[in-house]
Amino acid sequence: DGGITQSPKYLFRKEGQNVTLSCEQNLNHDAMYWYRQDPGQGLRLIYYSQIVNDFQKGDIAEGYSVSREKKESFPLTVTSAQKNPTAFYLCASSMPGVSNEKLFFGSGTQLSVL
Amino acid sequence: AQSVAQPEDQVNVAEGNPLTVKCTYSVSGNPYLFWYVQYPNRGLQFLLKYITGDNLVKGSYGFEAEFNKSQTSFHLKKPSALVSDSALYFCAVRGDNYGQNFVFGPGTRLSVLP
Repeated sequence: DGGITQSPKYLFRKEGQNVTLSCEQNLNHDAMYWYRQDPGQGLRLIYYSQIVNDFQKGDIAEGYSVSREKKESFPLTVTSAQKNPTAFYLCASSMPGVSNEKLFFGSGTQLSVL
Repeated sequence: AQSVAQPEDQVNVAEGNPLTVKCTYSVSGNPYLFWYVQYPNRGLQFLLKYITGDNLVKGSYGFEAEFNKSQTSFHLKKPSALVSDSALYFCAVRGDNYGQNFVFGPGTRLSVLP
């Protein structure tokens, strides 16, 4: 089945620790995105990538880092600089430039601080 | 700058009654408009979109939405609500100018009461 796989479903971070959230897609989409969801605030864009080996900061990139070494993969690292990391993280992908472009989402990762 | 407003945090409706979830937007260029639904601890699922053409758009699960250019609105509607429609609904917009990202509203929680 085609889709987006996020892992793990739940993740716990200790003080001062970096953690990495995985996102893999087999939809052959060029663009991938990371969103952060907090209650009552909707989705906020962290980073996005329109093509392999290129990515751009979104609205709330501080304390996060990404890489895009393969078309299928767009991992997100939550660094120790992110002081309030507890949130639900959603990965998405799309095929830009087509008239029927829309976002496809993974099932999310809930990150909590120990 | 692009923005989306969903003026109601919560909408309550009795099962069998019609429902409306409101959305207004601001965007540069022509709007591409979307509705997504989210069930607890899940990613977002696509419901419907407006790109061009007929102002009344029909989507999944009996939902529809009406694009109103003069009021910059894209309200989600369903003639007869089901208890299973209870979820969090997000409106999103993307302008048709190159390089514009998707912007999401804060979400509206729909509760359908039996």
